[in-house]
Amino acid sequence: EDQVTQSPEALRLQEGESSSLNCSYTVSGLRGLFWYRQDPGKGPEFLFTLYSAGEEKEKERLKATLTKKESFLHITAPKPEDSATYLCAVQALRGYNKLIFGAGTRLAVHP
Amino acid sequence: ETGVTQSPTHLIKTRGQQVTLRCSSQSGHNTVSWYQQALGQGPQFIFQYYREEENGRGNFPPRFSGLQFPNYSSELNVNALELDDSALYLCASSIPTDRANTIYFGEGSWLTVV
Repeated sequence: EDQVTQSPEALRLQEGESSSLNCSYTVSGLRGLFWYRQDPGKGPEFLFTLYSAGEEKEKERLKATLTKKESFLHITAPKPEDSATYLCAVQALRGYNKLIFGAGTRLAVHP
Repeated sequence: ETGVTQSPTHLIKTRGQQVTLRCSSQSGHNTVSWYQQALGQGPQFIFQYYREEENGRGNFPPRFSGLQFPNYSSELNVNALELDDSALYLCASSIPTDRANTIYFGEGSWLTVV
């Protein structure tokens, strides 16, 4: 069964304190792995798509990496405005393009 | 701004009632999907429509149904509402390609069932 597990569930950082969020996945053929950011009461905002192991993508203070079993979202020198829930999702090769999400990591960055 | 708009943003219904949620997709996106997100959880796939036909469904009962219109707008209908149906309902649109296509979400409709 296709599955996504994110850790930690919640993370509290001081402003400027870099860290990483983990996304472990099991999928029968990966079409793509997605990272989204979700602010309270809002819909998920697209950040990155990764397609194959070894791929990396960056956007401002965020960098996403992918291996055959997991993905990491590295946050460098975070600011309070980076506080949000970060969702990881996979899309399988077979069938239609549904996303299978993890439960997310709630990130709080304090000044 | 994703170009995906949903209405209403919030609504309260009584158990046993029916509800219709609406979505307007981003221009040119011919695939629309609906997700249910309970508090503290990730979104769960309900179903997907491509060119007005349902072509994928998650583990949701038949009382969850949908429509896609020629202009790529969409509706989610839920009959016989239950308390557990209280959640954020997300509409997402995309253009299917060979690679993993980017899926854009709307802001959602908050449904509370009392």
